[in-house]
Amino acid sequence: DQQVKQNSPSLSVQEGRISILNCDYTNSMFDYFLWYKKYPAEGPTFLISISSIKDKNEDGRFTVFLNKSAKHLSLHIVPSQPGDSAVYFCAASEQLIGAGSYQLTFGKGTKLSVIP
Amino acid sequence: ETGVTQTPRHLVMGMTNKKSLKCEQHLGHNAMYWYKQSAKKPLELMFVYNFKEQTENNSVPSRFSPECPNSSHLFLHLHTLQPEDSALYLCASSQERGRGLGQPQHFGDGTRLSIL
Repeated sequence: DQQVKQNSPSLSVQEGRISILNCDYTNSMFDYFLWYKKYPAEGPTFLISISSIKDKNEDGRFTVFLNKSAKHLSLHIVPSQPGDSAVYFCAASEQLIGAGSYQLTFGKGTKLSVIP
Repeated sequence: ETGVTQTPRHLVMGMTNKKSLKCEQHLGHNAMYWYKQSAKKPLELMFVYNFKEQTENNSVPSRFSPECPNSSHLFLHLHTLQPEDSALYLCASSQERGRGLGQPQHFGDGTRLSIL
């Protein structure tokens, strides 16, 4: 059973508009959430993260929102740019399992296409 | 450049071959990970090493054998693989900065493995 779900396999957005990518999770023990971006033939690149003690984290054009009661997080990209076209993965983790390491559970990803 | 280098980028091998995947991180991190990404599936954690000690083995078949000689290098030794093992294998590393504070995992670009 998938603990992290990204229900939209793809999303198309016009350049300059807002992109909203959604992620739902089922494990209430998750307390650290991350978004990764992946281009073809490259590994995932870390984008932004949020701890469960916050409900919003912002970094430039990227903002992540966390709704713990709904077990839902979203990534907002504004304004969207053609270079943002990539696959976006949501990931979640429980408390650190040992000094320095922790398990990440990933969603299947959402392919974002930003149309010029 | 993510600071995590994986070699080779592509590997084709027969089911009876023995090969090794290599990962090197230049970030000074103390934890390293192997993930597998199969088509249309989320990234799956295989192994976790923390300060060179293996802390997790997520029910991975013994035909996959990890080795972590030091905190900068991680290997995945492959032996008598099956066609269903064809996938993208990703290495990641991370650094703890205090208990309870998550730090992102940084990924390499992966090795695309094809089993004939």
